[in-house]
Amino acid sequence: DAGVIQSPRHEVTEMGQEVTLRCKPISGHDYLFWYRQTMMRGLELLIYFNNNVPIDDSGMPEDRFSAKMPNASFSTLKIQPSEPRDSAVYFCASRATGTVGDTGELFFGEGSRLTVL
Amino acid sequence: GENVEQHPSTLSVQEGDSAVIKCTYSDSASNYFPWYKQELGKGPQLIIDIRSNVGEKKDQRIAVTLNKTAKHFSLHITETQPEDSAVYFCAASISGYSSASKIIFGSGTRLSIRP
Repeated sequence: DAGVIQSPRHEVTEMGQEVTLRCKPISGHDYLFWYRQTMMRGLELLIYFNNNVPIDDSGMPEDRFSAKMPNASFSTLKIQPSEPRDSAVYFCASRATGTVGDTGELFFGEGSRLTVL
Repeated sequence: GENVEQHPSTLSVQEGDSAVIKCTYSDSASNYFPWYKQELGKGPQLIIDIRSNVGEKKDQRIAVTLNKTAKHFSLHITETQPEDSAVYFCAASISGYSSASKIIFGSGTRLSIRP
């Protein structure tokens, strides 16, 4: 399996522009998580989905952030309008549960580094 | 909700010495405690985990201990090597075979191994 795939790897944009980050989880995984990493706050959980349904979005910082999972193999995190304080590395992770031998392991993508000027 | 605190934020040890990273958690219902290692430019990767029915777990040079009463858990790396240099995150969650909850991470420890 190719692992969790995120795109773009790097994004530089100007304040006020819309940003869309994309994630393809590992096939067969039923949970998908979006995390944001900054020096100040570490790894923050933004939102997670189970079977494509958002379960907990309490970590989404503001209404400017939205996330969707239209099917089991694709999710997006959108920021509109973007602000300089949104600059961070955004990680997507997936996991499988409900199976014998479930280790609970989260599999992370390589992240999308966002810079908002 | 769950809150995980991690110390120290940075740690420098001589190659060959041991490193210890400590975490505390707040939710007594948490039962799953993984540790992740993040190398430069990569996503975090699971290196070891422990469940609440176990007090200690070892995997070669890495060991984790859990004190449920005190809500403490620790990562121990012995005989450190240059490739151990990375950022380490502890985490806590409530996990079961038929369900999973959000995994909350500590703030991370940047470990540097001095040659």
